Amino acid sequence: AQRVTQPEKLLSVFKGAPVELKCNYSYSGSPELFWYVQYSRQRLQLLLRHISRESIKGFTADLNKGETSFHLKKPFAQEEDSAMYYCALRPPGQNFVFGPGTRLSVLP
Amino acid sequence: DGGITQSPKYLFRKEGQNVTLSCEQNLNHDAMYWYRQDPGQGLRLIYYSQIVNDFQKGDIAEGYSVSREKKESFPLTVTSAQKNPTAFYLCASSTNEEKSSGGYTFGSGTRLTVV
Repeated sequence: AQRVTQPEKLLSVFKGAPVELKCNYSYSGSPELFWYVQYSRQRLQLLLRHISRESIKGFTADLNKGETSFHLKKPFAQEEDSAMYYCALRPPGQNFVFGPGTRLSVLP
Repeated sequence: DGGITQSPKYLFRKEGQNVTLSCEQNLNHDAMYWYRQDPGQGLRLIYYSQIVNDFQKGDIAEGYSVSREKKESFPLTVTSAQKNPTAFYLCASSTNEEKSSGGYTFGSGTRLTVV
């Protein structure tokens, strides 16, 4: 069965420090992977998708099929990055499978 | 307010009662979805609809029902058969193209509490 794990419920880093939010998935085929973000008092929104190979708000994520991972990284965290982050997997033609989420807290 | 509106924001229900959560979008999106969000469990799909007058069960459809009589509207009814209805409910929509690219638009959610 498809599954997404995010091992950290809460991740705290200091402003300016690098941040890595971990995401691992279980799926035998070629998945589509995404990161969604929910800032305080705002709606859940798409942050980035692996197929676009884009950098959004300084965040990047690389799909590692060998390790079945899609970790989200940013070299220098900002306080405004504090939010709830969800990793999501979508098998071709199917619906999303979301991870449990990681709350990122960037301390001043 | 973002094109997709959920109401009410907070809802209290007595045990044994059915309750309906509203989701309306003016984005002309074909597909609509209902998710349940519980702490530590992420989002779980309840029901989804890809076209008017058609919908499919998601992963946790038991105790819920939906209708899609209009493109703009996808109400969710939490029935008395749902054993643990207290949760945060999120509605989302997308075009068929966005469905394949990941660009869902989410509502602001409804928090349902059973008292």
